[in-house]
Amino acid sequence: GQNIDQPTEMTATEGAIVQINCTYQTSGFNGLFWYQQHAGEAPTFLSYNVLDGLEEKGRFSSFLSRSKGYSYLLLKELQMKDSASYLCAVRDSNYQLIWGAGTKLIIKP
Amino acid sequence: ETGVTQTPRHLVMGMTNKKSLKCEQHLGHNAMYWYKQSAKKPLELMFVYNFKEQTENNSVPSRFSPECPNSSHLFLHLHTLQPEDSALYLCASSQDRGTGHQPQHFGDGTRLSIL
Repeated sequence: GQNIDQPTEMTATEGAIVQINCTYQTSGFNGLFWYQQHAGEAPTFLSYNVLDGLEEKGRFSSFLSRSKGYSYLLLKELQMKDSASYLCAVRDSNYQLIWGAGTKLIIKP
Repeated sequence: ETGVTQTPRHLVMGMTNKKSLKCEQHLGHNAMYWYKQSAKKPLELMFVYNFKEQTENNSVPSRFSPECPNSSHLFLHLHTLQPEDSALYLCASSQDRGTGHQPQHFGDGTRLSIL
């Protein structure tokens, strides 16, 4: 079966750095997405990786290793507004998105 | 503002009621999706429409009936629902069915509670 694993919950301190991991086992691979979802709101697109390596976008970076079936989202200079759930999703060989259950990130002052 | 609008935001209904969820996208996309989101579970894809044609039905019970009259509008008709159907129902759209790097854009969802 297809599976996406990410930690259920993480806690970090304002101003610090946090890394949210995502491991996947899917039938085929056509890209990996990270989304942010604040409580009661729509998931919003953060990043896309299809080749190995690091993609940087301001305070957020996403890394992919296809051989290891592994990705991480790195958030720097954490702000209180970064408290949200972070969803990892992989596009499989049928171009269908397979979703993880999300990681709830709690930022403390 | 994501460009995808869902109504209503909240819906409480009895098991014998019939109601409809509405989704409208203002992004000029060709593909639209219905997802179910339950607490601490992955998003479950329910239906996919591409150029108004249904391309996927992921073994969804017949008490959920989708309708896509045009590329901008998507409905989910509900009847005789069960308590386990209580969840957040998300609509999304994308430029096309899923090739390339184009992400899906989501609405804020309808929080559905079945009494």
